[in-house]
Amino acid sequence: GQNIDQPTEMTATEGAIVQINCTYQTSGFNGLFWYQQHAGEAPTFLSYNVLDGLEEKGRFSSFLSRSKGYSYLLLKELQMKDSASYLCAVRDQDQAGTALIFGKGTTLSVSS
Amino acid sequence: DAGVTQSPTHLIKTRGQQVTLRCSPISGHKSVSWYQQVLGQGPQFIFQYYEKEERGRGNFPDRFSARQFPNYSSELNVNALLLGDSALYLCASSSASGHYEQYFGPGTRLTVT
Repeated sequence: GQNIDQPTEMTATEGAIVQINCTYQTSGFNGLFWYQQHAGEAPTFLSYNVLDGLEEKGRFSSFLSRSKGYSYLLLKELQMKDSASYLCAVRDQDQAGTALIFGKGTTLSVSS
Repeated sequence: DAGVTQSPTHLIKTRGQQVTLRCSPISGHKSVSWYQQVLGQGPQFIFQYYEKEERGRGNFPDRFSARQFPNYSSELNVNALLLGDSALYLCASSSASGHYEQYFGPGTRLTVT
């Protein structure tokens, strides 16, 4: 079966670093995506990993280990505007060309 | 450049009715995918179309159907609406089948009463 797990909620303070973990079990794998979704808005693309290792993009980094079925999103120098839901998604090669399987999302609350 | 556009923004329907949702992809994108997002959950894949052909279908009943037009815009149709169909319906476009990230539209909020 297809399963993507991530924590439901996390809290952090401004300026801190937070790591959001994601584990996946899918019948195929053709890339892992992280999206940010503010309440009432559409998801926006943050990062993409298809090979093992770390991808860094400004304050955001994403890591992938395909052998462990594991990824994390690292957010540095947290700001209040980072309060949002963070969605981990896997592109399942067996299902369709670009269809994504999403986790339930992690709601991050950043406080001052 | 315009992003993915969807219409209408909000919609209220009664059980048993039918609804049509519309999506225009980013210019140059030929792939369109539809997702359903229930409150508090991640988006769930419904359909993917590429070059007007269905490339994938998620685990949804036959009441859900879609099509893609020659200009790559797309419609999602839902018949015999149920209360459980109330959700945010998201359309996403990508530049080519099997590659690159998906860009999401603002969604259509459907409420079934």
